[in-house]
Amino acid sequence: EADIYQTPRYLVIGTGKKITLECSQTMGHDKMYWYQQDPGMELHLIHYSYGVNSTEKGDLSSESTVSRIRTEHFPLTLESARPSHTSQYLCASSESGLAGAEQFFGPGTRLTVL
Amino acid sequence: TQLLEQSPQFLSIQEGENLTVYCNSSSVFSSLQWYRQEPGEGPVLLVTVVTGGEVKKLKRLTFQFGDARKDSSLHITAAQPGDTGLYLCAGVTGANSKLTFGKGITLSVRP
Repeated sequence: EADIYQTPRYLVIGTGKKITLECSQTMGHDKMYWYQQDPGMELHLIHYSYGVNSTEKGDLSSESTVSRIRTEHFPLTLESARPSHTSQYLCASSESGLAGAEQFFGPGTRLTVL
Repeated sequence: TQLLEQSPQFLSIQEGENLTVYCNSSSVFSSLQWYRQEPGEGPVLLVTVVTGGEVKKLKRLTFQFGDARKDSSLHITAAQPGDTGLYLCAGVTGANSKLTFGKGITLSVRP
């Protein structure tokens, strides 16, 4: 079944730890995105990719980094987590070639940094 | 920065009532999308409106895109508890498919 997966769903870690949030999709989509979502605030785009070896920073500045070595995989890494990184992180993908194509979202990773 | 203002921010109604919520901007969008997000899940697309003045119906949900393609409304007829969730509107500009999201409307429908 075509889908988009995120792991872990919940993560509580201490300040200074390195973490990687995983995102995989089985739909063969070229475009993938990472958003940050906080209560009562807009979803903010922090990273996106239009294909393998393509990554761009989004509208919201983030200390995280991403990689796109395989079409289906778009992990996000924080080298040294801080309490200000506490948030919900949503991964999404969409077809290429269609402006305004539907974005398919994963269930999210809720990150808490103590 | 293009902003999408959604109103009201919170809405709590009784089952069977009708409601209308809004998504407004000073910017023109090539299209506008509405998503619904349930707790613990990612947003799911409900509809995309493209043409100014367009009206789309999805069962009890009616979506309208403003003539100037700057605003949109969502009307729900005879709301049900299953309609409870966070409703997000997102504007599309340019050919790069990036979305600009509003803050969302939290809807609670009481049985």
